[in-house]
Amino acid sequence: QKEVEQNSGPLSVPEGAIASLNCTYSDRGSQSFFWYRQYSGKSPELIMFIYSNGDKEDGRFTAQLNKASQYVSLLIRDSQPSDSATYLCAVRRDSSYKLIFGSGTRLLVRP
Amino acid sequence: DAEITQSPRHKITETGRQVTLACHQTWNHNNMFWYRQDLGHGLRLIHYSYGVQDTNKGEVSDGYSVSRSNTEDLPLTLESAASSQTSVYFCASSSGAQETQYFGPGTRLLVL
Repeated sequence: QKEVEQNSGPLSVPEGAIASLNCTYSDRGSQSFFWYRQYSGKSPELIMFIYSNGDKEDGRFTAQLNKASQYVSLLIRDSQPSDSATYLCAVRRDSSYKLIFGSGTRLLVRP
Repeated sequence: DAEITQSPRHKITETGRQVTLACHQTWNHNNMFWYRQDLGHGLRLIHYSYGVQDTNKGEVSDGYSVSRSNTEDLPLTLESAASSQTSVYFCASSSGAQETQYFGPGTRLLVL
């Protein structure tokens, strides 16, 4: 079992819809959770992070964390074709500064 | 503006050669990381450093080494390049207080 799992996709949604990206993790001691976006041929860029159970909103993006069920999700409202990218979930597992990354979910937003 | 750069951006080398990939950051971050990214595997940690003279092995460190002689640079050396090391390599950095890692533009390495 991978430590951080994501469905590879592609997840295809129409423009204007809500895209829901999910990530599960295996270590219950995981402390911090990150979502990165990576366009093809580019480097990952941070979208947002979340530490506490519940929702955290930033513009069109909402991160949701449920530590009891060991999952974290990213909702993208009013999806745009420019949101088409691979979304990487990352988890800080312990007191170190290392992050464990999932393999990413490819999102396609259809015009 | 502070940034993180990698060089070269593209590299072709032959099996058995020593290769060094450079990573330079101007954020004055203590923490620096090297990852490789391959299809189906996501980002895998090769080596990391929490400060000058500190280096640590990640999950896929065999065949790689790093050294940290100053805050700004963490060069990655492939001692004897192998075809299995063909990949995209990303350098990242973070401050001690913040966990967020910021990535360089990447180096595409092809080992023939």
